[in-house]
Amino acid sequence: ENVLTQSPGTLSLSPGERATLSCRASQSFSSSYLAWYQQKPGQAPRLLIYAASSRATGIPDRFSGGGSGTDFTLTISRLEPEDFAVYYCQKYGSSPEWTFGQGTKVEFK
Amino acid sequence: EVQLVESGGDLVRPGGSLRLSCAASGFTFTTSWMHWVRQVPGKGLVWVARINADGSSTSYADSAKGRFTISIDNAKNTVHLQMNSLRAEDTAVYYCSRGGSGYFFDYWGQGTLVTVSS
Repeated sequence: ENVLTQSPGTLSLSPGERATLSCRASQSFSSSYLAWYQQKPGQAPRLLIYAASSRATGIPDRFSGGGSGTDFTLTISRLEPEDFAVYYCQKYGSSPEWTFGQGTKVEFK
Repeated sequence: EVQLVESGGDLVRPGGSLRLSCAASGFTFTTSWMHWVRQVPGKGLVWVARINADGSSTSYADSAKGRFTISIDNAKNTVHLQMNSLRAEDTAVYYCSRGGSGYFFDYWGQGTLVTVSS
């Protein structure tokens, strides 16, 4: 089973700061299979990034994704007040199956 | 505009059954994979089941195999999740989502709450 581990669990930052979120897999896989989501309280998740680095429709360019193999990163270049939320990475597996990381909460410092 | 609207969530006793529905609009339903993803309140996201556009292929998480059945009604642009032998640990918000290119979820419904309790 290819487990996704996100770190840190909580990131305490101020608006305007840079956020770097990590997603690490126990086994290497294609970057085409890696996505990132944002979820705010009481709302459904929203797709931010797919194929590790492609922004979904309507996603601001302050959000960027990168990485390959087992290590992937979501970066928010300058935090806006609306960016404080929980972020999940997700991968596709060939069984087929879809696996999520446990989430990183970005909170106000 | 893509819209996914779930319904059917309710309070049900352990061992009981429930059928969730997801009404889709704003896209070509017959060319999309559709999924159910659940989330225990305050916890993370867990994929549950997936169906292809014509209903000929399904996949399930281990926790759903043998108890849940995903189906599709292309005439009504609706996806269903039949849940049998429900357990307390099935309590969650269930989201319907559209599969984007097969690898991720590009649109989500607002979710429907299933509570399994005596």
